[in-house]
Amino acid sequence: AQSVAQPEDQVNVAEGNPLTVKCTYSVSGNPYLFWYVQYPNRGLQFLLKYITGDNLVKGSYGFEAEFNKSQTSFHLKKPSALVSDSALYFCAVRGPPGSARQLTFGSGTQLTVLP
Amino acid sequence: DTEVTQTPKHLVMGMTNKKSLKCEQHMGHRAMYWYKQKAKKPPELMFVYSYEKLSINESVPSRFSPECPNSSLLNLHLHALQPEDSALYLCASSQVTTSRRDEKLFFGSGTQLSVL
Repeated sequence: AQSVAQPEDQVNVAEGNPLTVKCTYSVSGNPYLFWYVQYPNRGLQFLLKYITGDNLVKGSYGFEAEFNKSQTSFHLKKPSALVSDSALYFCAVRGPPGSARQLTFGSGTQLTVLP
Repeated sequence: DTEVTQTPKHLVMGMTNKKSLKCEQHMGHRAMYWYKQKAKKPPELMFVYSYEKLSINESVPSRFSPECPNSSLLNLHLHALQPEDSALYLCASSQVTTSRRDEKLFFGSGTQLSVL
């Protein structure tokens, strides 16, 4: 069965500093990996996805994520955090064909950017 | 139009009431989803419709009844709910791709449901 782990419930970072939100995955075969963000009182918004190709994926709002197959990780990064980036972030994975087709979400990481 | 619109935004209902949640999208997406989300937790999949047919039911109790009357609309009919059903109910849609694996979901803002 596929799974994702977000080891940090909460990440605090000062505005202007780089941020990292961690995600590790477990899936047989090639993973399809996603990051979604949820602002207060809103639904989830797609940020970026990794399917194949370049290990560094660029997404919305200046976010990027690095796929590392040997470490089975897909960490979300941004060079300079904004207060408006404060939100709940979910990593998600889809497994190979024939497995459960739907997204498996991580437990979420609350990011707080301090002014 | 890249929005998924959900109504109502808030709903309070008693355990004997019947109510419906509505979801609409005009992006031409042929897959639509219902998720349930408790505060600060990941969304839990409830139902998936593909081409207006129910393709996945994640063992959801029968007091939740989905309906997809056409390719743009998705309803969730509620009857005899329990207090533990109180949650944010999210609708989502996606294009149907060949592999189904690279689909990205577009979510609505949800209906915050309270069952008294």
